Amino acid sequence: GAGVSQSPSNKVTEKGKDVELRCDPISGHTALYWYRQSLGQGLEFLIYFQGNSAPDKSGLPSDRFSAERTGGSVSTLTIQRTQQEDSAVYLCASSLNPGGANTGELFFGEGSRLTVL
Amino acid sequence: SQKIEQNSEALNIQEGKTATLTCNYTNYSPAYLQWYRQDPGRGPVFLLLIRENEKEKRKERLKVTFDTTLKQSLFHITASQPADSATYLCALPYGNNRLAFGKGNQVVVIP
Repeated sequence: GAGVSQSPSNKVTEKGKDVELRCDPISGHTALYWYRQSLGQGLEFLIYFQGNSAPDKSGLPSDRFSAERTGGSVSTLTIQRTQQEDSAVYLCASSLNPGGANTGELFFGEGSRLTVL
Repeated sequence: SQKIEQNSEALNIQEGKTATLTCNYTNYSPAYLQWYRQDPGRGPVFLLLIRENEKEKRKERLKVTFDTTLKQSLFHITASQPADSATYLCALPYGNNRLAFGKGNQVVVIP
């Protein structure tokens, strides 16, 4: 497809379980971001991948969160030992020219809604 | 980092009127500012980018202003339509190519 694809769209899990969320960015986009959006809150930055550079992990809330991006394309966000406060919508975005004055916009997927019971 | 403030109260407006939203930020002035639209259950969609040396930017019925002295951006929807009902987010760059988002401002256009 032409847009950013995320799966699953909805995930319900029990507290303590691990979950994996997947993001397939737009082809050719070198930058990939993960954000978290809790109910009534703004988008919270989690992690940023740019090409082959080391990812910017400064937004990850705890060591239970990790992400990888294989082959500069698909990314997986993993949350280990999930807690109820992890419940949120996890949004992935990709960009062709992050920080560029002309095309710095982010293209978002529809998000993965995570509910931890 | 940046603190971004958008009005948390929904803006209810009659169809055909102009909706005006405010985005205020603290700390340093960014090189540019972006506005996104988000519908319920969907990801944000980019609308407009305005650079620090631009006072105003237009796209169809949308107009954005950027006042680096006031540290404020205004977002206008002219001749509003019910289809414009959504949450509008402002976003500013910071750090290493990251974007910080405001919490958004909901607009409800009443037919």
